Amino acid sequence: DAMVIQNPRYQVTQFGKPVTLSCSQTLNHNVMYWYQQKSSQAPKLLFHYYDKDFNNEADTPDNFQSRRPNTSFCFLDIRSPGLGDAAMYLCATSGTVGNQPQHFGDGTRLSIL
Amino acid sequence: GENVEQHPSTLSVQEGDSAVIKCTYSDSASNYFPWYKQELGKRPQLIIDIRSNVGEKKDQRIAVTLNKTAKHFSLHITETQPEDSAVYFCAAPYSGGYNKLIFGAGTRLAVHP
Repeated sequence: DAMVIQNPRYQVTQFGKPVTLSCSQTLNHNVMYWYQQKSSQAPKLLFHYYDKDFNNEADTPDNFQSRRPNTSFCFLDIRSPGLGDAAMYLCATSGTVGNQPQHFGDGTRLSIL
Repeated sequence: GENVEQHPSTLSVQEGDSAVIKCTYSDSASNYFPWYKQELGKRPQLIIDIRSNVGEKKDQRIAVTLNKTAKHFSLHITETQPEDSAVYFCAAPYSGGYNKLIFGAGTRLAVHP
């Protein structure tokens, strides 16, 4: 059974049109992460939450924002997508006791027209 | 901050041969090193991890070794099979958040029948 669920699997949007990607988890993990991954490159961390404590990476563009209304759900908002934002967006979760592995969702592949 | 280098970027082996992928890290305080396998179009999946209190860990055909003095860790796959073909990422923790990981650039492994 999928434990980190991302919807939709594929998303097409127009240049400049806001888009929201969603992630839910059944693991009850405190920490949730959003990554951007391009063309089999390494996943690049955009931001993460510990509960509702939001942590932005220094080089994450202002165009990207996130919301976490409760433990189970997290959203990635791209306010004005550009062509360079076309990528796979991965959500992951982890626990917080000691070193915990991250568990990834299947990702949302975003295309920009 | 932490930096992770991964080599080689591509690796081609015959079925049944062994494959070795090596990563180096920069932060001597790092104490947790996971390896992820990502098949084309799929999510990264944790295949094995090691903590700094051990030097080696095995799981069937997969093993990871850690040399804390030299600050490197390696993934070993024995008796490779075509289904081992994928991109493999190593990772190491970095500071400033909860279980944040920095990923190596990835190794594309091709196992030929």
